[in-house]
Amino acid sequence: QVQLQESGPGLVKPSETLSLTCTVSGFSITSRYYWGWIRQPPGKGLEWIGTIYHRGNTYYNPSLKSRVTISIDTSKNQFSLQLRSVSATDTAVYYCARDVVLEEVHAYYFDSWGQGTLVTVSS
Amino acid sequence: QSALTQPASVSGSPGQSITMSCTGTNSDVGSFNLVSWYQQYPGKAPDLLIYEVSKRPSGVSNRFSGSKSGNTASLTISGLQAEDEAQYYCCSYAGSSTLVFGGGTKLTVL
Repeated sequence: QVQLQESGPGLVKPSETLSLTCTVSGFSITSRYYWGWIRQPPGKGLEWIGTIYHRGNTYYNPSLKSRVTISIDTSKNQFSLQLRSVSATDTAVYYCARDVVLEEVHAYYFDSWGQGTLVTVSS
Repeated sequence: QSALTQPASVSGSPGQSITMSCTGTNSDVGSFNLVSWYQQYPGKAPDLLIYEVSKRPSGVSNRFSGSKSGNTASLTISGLQAEDEAQYYCCSYAGSSTLVFGGGTKLTVL
């Protein structure tokens, strides 16, 4: 049974870089699935940040693309998020999730989620 | 890429059926059968309810069903139960390997 766990600092200063890691257990990150990051500001809705495939293909939300990098470390079964030049509007619960492939086709939905981690941007 | 439009809230009594909408454009919902729905309880991660417009993952009750007409997708919950009270989000493929979520609908069971 796949499990995902986010980790990283809970507090980041404005203008600095937010860095989070998602550790995947019970499932190989090099299997046919994609891996995504989603965030949720307090009291607000979900926002897709981006997705990565184990071969390094990355796809980003156009509104965040200039500040986001998602990378993957297959040796550790982990993938990571970096969000640069953060401000208070980046305060949110950040989730990592598994993005499904069905019959070799990217199906674009998330079937397993981490518990989420709150990142606050404040000085 | 704008968020999909969902009503802020819907309500229903136990045993009733409710339908909530998710309106996009012909660049997302209207062009692809790649709409998914998620249920979220306060303080918890979302759970997958529906994928590819109308398919249910194993373990999801058949009281939940999805459909789509034009640029609007819908989630119907039949035989409403108290445990269905939660926040619901739709999500659609929006082309160029991108995704867009709706703003969410809070379901209240009266």
